[in-house]
Amino acid sequence: QKEVEQDPGPLSVPEGAIVSLNCTYSNSAFQYFMWYRQYSRKGPELLMYTYSSGNKEDGRFTAQVDKSSKYISLFIRDSQPSDSATYLCATNAGNNRKLIWGLGTSLAVNP
Amino acid sequence: GAVVSQHPSRVICKSGTSVKIECRSLDFQATTMFWYRQFPKQSLMLMATSNEGSKATYEQGVEKDKFLINHASLTLSTLTVTSAHPEDSSFYICSAALKSGGAGQPQHFGDGTRLSIL
Repeated sequence: QKEVEQDPGPLSVPEGAIVSLNCTYSNSAFQYFMWYRQYSRKGPELLMYTYSSGNKEDGRFTAQVDKSSKYISLFIRDSQPSDSATYLCATNAGNNRKLIWGLGTSLAVNP
Repeated sequence: GAVVSQHPSRVICKSGTSVKIECRSLDFQATTMFWYRQFPKQSLMLMATSNEGSKATYEQGVEKDKFLINHASLTLSTLTVTSAHPEDSSFYICSAALKSGGAGQPQHFGDGTRLSIL
């Protein structure tokens, strides 16, 4: 079993839809959770960074962490064609700087 | 803030050439920088962790003599692919973590270098 599981998709939605992206993880020691967006042929861009359980909102993006079920989510409201990219979840136990990555979910938002 | 610059963005060269890639943190100091390799439609694979002023830590299976890493300052790390061969063709990405803050700090990424060896 991989430490972080993420459905690679692809996920295709119409413009304006609410998008839900998810990851599950197996190690209860993970405390820091990140979502990155990666456009084709570019490096990942940090979208959201959360510590422990709870919600964090930034504009159209909301990150949720449920440590009891080892489940993390990223919601995108009013999705736009410019949101079409690969979304990667990552986590870290805080005892070193190494990130554990999901496979990434490919998202296409259709105008 | 937290801008990482990676150069060059694209390299095409002949087999046997050594290629140097630079990674700079532009507006922050980075004690630790990371080098990743990414194959098409796959996630990032960590190659090595680079700490300023000390030797890099390589992941299992990564040849340290093939992929030379130098972290000369708090804002610059370089990766040299020595005697590159076609199988070294890939997308190489660097990242940096802020000097301040704990180990859980997120990494900030450069835009990657697409290396093609003919």
